[in-house]
Amino acid sequence: RKEVEQDPGPFNVPEGATVAFNCTYSNSASQSFFWYRQDCRKEPKLLMSVYSSGNEDGRFTAQLNRASQYISLLIRDSKLSDSATYLCVVNKRSGNTGKLIFGQGTTLQVKP
Amino acid sequence: DTAVSQTPKYLVTQMGNDKSIKCEQNLGHDTMYWYKQDSKKFLKIMFSYNNKELIINETVPNRFSPKSPDKAHLNLHINSLELGDSAVYFCASSHPIGRGEEEAFFGQGTRLTVV
Repeated sequence: RKEVEQDPGPFNVPEGATVAFNCTYSNSASQSFFWYRQDCRKEPKLLMSVYSSGNEDGRFTAQLNRASQYISLLIRDSKLSDSATYLCVVNKRSGNTGKLIFGQGTTLQVKP
Repeated sequence: DTAVSQTPKYLVTQMGNDKSIKCEQNLGHDTMYWYKQDSKKFLKIMFSYNNKELIINETVPNRFSPKSPDKAHLNLHINSLELGDSAVYFCASSHPIGRGEEEAFFGQGTRLTVV
């Protein structure tokens, strides 16, 4: 079983739609959680950190459920520019450093 | 004013050759990483260094040898390149866990093609 699992999609949605991505992780020792975005042939970039209390950044809302080891990302009012791969990332302590473990990514295609 | 820069961006080479990829970060981070992204787009950690010290070596063939001359640099040398080494290699850096600023910043990637 992969340490971080995501539905690879693709998710094809019209502009303005609301779309939700889910992610599960297997290691309860995981320390911190993130969603990254990766555009085609580009490097991953942080979209937002994920906290147990939930957090929102504009049209994006992230939630963490430690008991269920589950992370979600909600995108409201999708824009064409949201088309990308969304990577669920778990940072697990390894000695005095961390180890970023990536899910395989969920591909979103927003269509006009 | 690139935060994490790696060179070259593209690398095409023949099987059996030895090549190096360089990485530098100007963010003052203590921790640096090498990740490999294969054709299925899965990002896998290869190595992690903290203050020039190797912390993580994820079952990578010993043909791959990272070198960290100082905490701002982490280079990757690959000996006897094989077809299966073709991938995109990303360098990244971050603060260590526990400082509360654990976001990793990635370089633009090096697209290695072995022919």
